[in-house]
Order: sequence, then structure tokens, then C-alpha cells
Amino acid sequence: EIVLTQSPATLSVSPGERATLACRASQSVSRNLAWYQQRPGQAPRLLIYGSSRRATGIPARFSGSGSGTEFTLTISSLQSEDFALYYCQQYNNWPPAWTFGHGTKVEIK
Amino acid sequence: QLQLLESGPGLVKPSETLSLTCTVSGGSISGSHYYWGWIRQSPEKGLEWIGSIYYSGTTYYNPSLKSRVTISVDTSKNQFSLKVDSVTAADTAVYYCASPGELDPNVFDFWGLGKMVTVSS
Repeated sequence: EIVLTQSPATLSVSPGERATLACRASQSVSRNLAWYQQRPGQAPRLLIYGSSRRATGIPARFSGSGSGTEFTLTISSLQSEDFALYYCQQYNNWPPAWTFGHGTKVEIK
Repeated sequence: QLQLLESGPGLVKPSETLSLTCTVSGGSISGSHYYWGWIRQSPEKGLEWIGSIYYSGTTYYNPSLKSRVTISVDTSKNQFSLKVDSVTAADTAVYYCASPGELDPNVFDFWGLGKMVTVSS
């Protein structure tokens, strides 16, 4: 099983500042990595797929990068609605054995 | 726009079978070319992919759950279903059905609201 480790577990950021979240894979997943946002009481929402492609309707302040085992999600200028949980997901296996990271909570500083 | 909605019992006794159904609207399961999935979320394990099914019935399961899980599809009702046998307290979670969209068949672009299932006597 490919294990995804997200860091930090909690990130305290002021509105308007930049947030940088990391996701490390236990083995290479090429660029087959996605990021999701989850607000309290809601289902996850797809932000990024293919390491750096924004999903439909996702603001440009969200960007993803990385390949292999190291990935980053950057939120360039945090808005109030961005304080939430963020998860990465790898989908490099076939047949599928997709896994998620344990999440990073972005909270208001 | 696809919409998915989970339904089923919210309380299941230990050792019994958990059964949930996902009803799809705004699109056709049989008209799609990707896999429809079940994912669960608990405080202990976080998000966990359970398995996925193609409209033709081809299934893939999480190896850690494979021996207890069955996913099936009913294209006439535009639904797909999940069964988890011999449940324990560790199966207590919010269960989501989800599907890719047109972006990438391996990621989940559309999600149901989630169904909280508690395993308890």
C-alpha cells in the first residue's frame, strides 16, 4: 500500500497570507496525485488532479506542484472560506488501490 | 451536474451486514465510462477508499476490505450499492458514494452528502 504523509497536521495562517501544504508518498506515484478540501459537515471537494491541474470552478489561488514522492498544495492568499481540512489522494496503482493522506487542517491564526 | 445520494440504515449491529445504496441523478451510470466508488471516513482511519464499480459490473476493492465487501450496480434504477459483511465497531464511519467526472477517471469530482453508519448493539 502506498502511504501518503501530510504535513503539517495543522497550519495556522492569517487571512491574506500564503499557505503551503505538503504530501509525501512512500513510493513514486508519478503525477497521479489529487488534493481535496473538506469543510465541516461537508463532503470532500476536488481541488487539484494530476498534481497541478485545477478542477472545474476552483479559484486560481489554489495551485499544486510536484511529482514522484513530493507534492505541494499552495493557497496564495487565504480567504475565510479556505480555512478547512485538506487531503491528498494517490491513484498511481492499477488495479486501483487508491489511498488518502490523513489531512492538514488550515486554521485561522 | 451529477448528484449522488446515499441511503440505508444508520445503525447496524455487530456481526451483521451493512447495506447502503447510492442513487445517481443528473446523469446515467450506464452512459458513463468510469468507475463509481464508495469511500468512508472515520476519525481513526481518515478517508478510506472501499471500492469502485463500472457500469458493466466490473469491480475493484480495497485489498484490506476485499473479503467483506460487495459492490453491485443496478443500471435500471441508476443506483449502485455497498454491502459490508461481519461489521465491527471499526466499521463505524461516514460512508460516501462518489464518482469521477470528465476530468480524470481516477479522482472523485462528485460526492454524495454522506451517510453516518454506527455499528453498535
